This record gives sequence, C-alpha cells and structure tokens, in this order.
Amino acid sequence: QQPVQSPQAVILREGEDAVINCSSSKALYSVHWYRQKHGEAPVFLMILLKGGEQKGHEKISASFNEKKQQSSLYLTASQLSYSGTYFCGTEDYKNAGGTSYGKLTFGQGTILTVHP
Amino acid sequence: DGGITQSPKYLFRKEGQNVTLSCEQNLNHDAMYWYRQDPGQGLRLIYYSQIVNDFQKGDIAEGYSVSREKKESFPLTVTSAQKNPTAFYLCASSRVPTYQETQYFGPGTRLLVL
Repeated sequence: QQPVQSPQAVILREGEDAVINCSSSKALYSVHWYRQKHGEAPVFLMILLKGGEQKGHEKISASFNEKKQQSSLYLTASQLSYSGTYFCGTEDYKNAGGTSYGKLTFGQGTILTVHP
Repeated sequence: DGGITQSPKYLFRKEGQNVTLSCEQNLNHDAMYWYRQDPGQGLRLIYYSQIVNDFQKGDIAEGYSVSREKKESFPLTVTSAQKNPTAFYLCASSRVPTYQETQYFGPGTRLLVL
C-alpha cells in the first residue's frame, strides 16, 4: 500500500515556505524524498532513517515521526528552482520477514509551483 | 563521470512486439531497480536485482522480463503480454540493496505504442 502525500499541490510566491507530508499505514524503516522536474529523472533530496539519522542536502530539512509513521519535508524561503513534483518513498517492515531490499513504495506526489 | 544511462530516450512499440530498454551504470552499485511512471502518478516497482544473476518481481512485473548478467547492466524487456505499455520507465541503482541507501535514477525512457 502506497504512502499518502498531502497536499496534492501547492502554489507559492518566491520566498514563501511550504510543508509536504507523507503518511504510511505501516511501520517504516526509512523515508526517502525526491524531487522530479517534468520529463526528467527524480533527484534525491533526503533519507530519514529509523532512529533519527538523516542523510541529504544541507538546505533541505525534514522530520520523521516513527510512532505516527509520518514524515514532513520543509521548504523554506522557496526559490523558482524548487518547482517540481515531490515524492516520498518508503520501505516497511513487511518486506521478506524483516530483511530490507531497498524496495521503495512511492506516494502519488505533491506538485509544487513557485511563482516570481 | 559516474552515473546511470538509459537508452533510447524515446521508444515506439508496435502491437505484438517485444522491446528492450537499456540501463547501464558505472557506479559499481550492487542493486538495480526498474520503475514505471504513468502521467500524474508516482513510481511503481517492476523488477529489482540485489546482485548479479539474481532478480525479483516487484509490484507490477506481469508483462515484463529482466536479466542481470553483468553488474553494470539491467535491461528490461516489455513483452507483448503487457497490454498497456505506454509510460515513462526509470532505472535506478543503489550501492547495496538496503533501506539506508540512496537510489540514483537514470534519465528515463518514454515508451509509446504505435
């Protein structure tokens, strides 16, 4: 079952902030965040791991609430280049009896549009 | 430069035809993945491979086949059994196949049916 992202779309002016949420019905090992421009490959933004570790870009911040099985991506002081579709990907404990294969299930995406 | 290449960028398939999408990586990654993306949708996993000569079905494997004879190559064949193949196909790789590793994506192949 895929994670649910909210909101589905966001429109901002340059300099404004946004929060994108990702929720799962299952306990999670990790949450991966990607941004995709139209017709291009997704670009890695961040991984949040169970236990609090994070890997990713310094200018991007995110949180991972393991208990609630939710993650949020915080985009502050938005720039035109932030426009695109943001996806979260998750891998849950169900995979092969607790063995991880990096088998991500992606949300439906959140479309972010930043205007001058 | 290290990265993932996919070819061709656009591919046209006739009814009843099998077509093969190429994916090559020079990152020395063990794990490789194939995803399908439909317009306005997220990515869905077709097949994945943890290591050479080993691969598993993902969530939507019907109508597709793969091989992993070399570490750097993971071609995807869209068979005639796949009745709705029009989509954007993305190949990805990660250093090792675990939840802790970043997946890096290739530029994608757009498949269209004639």
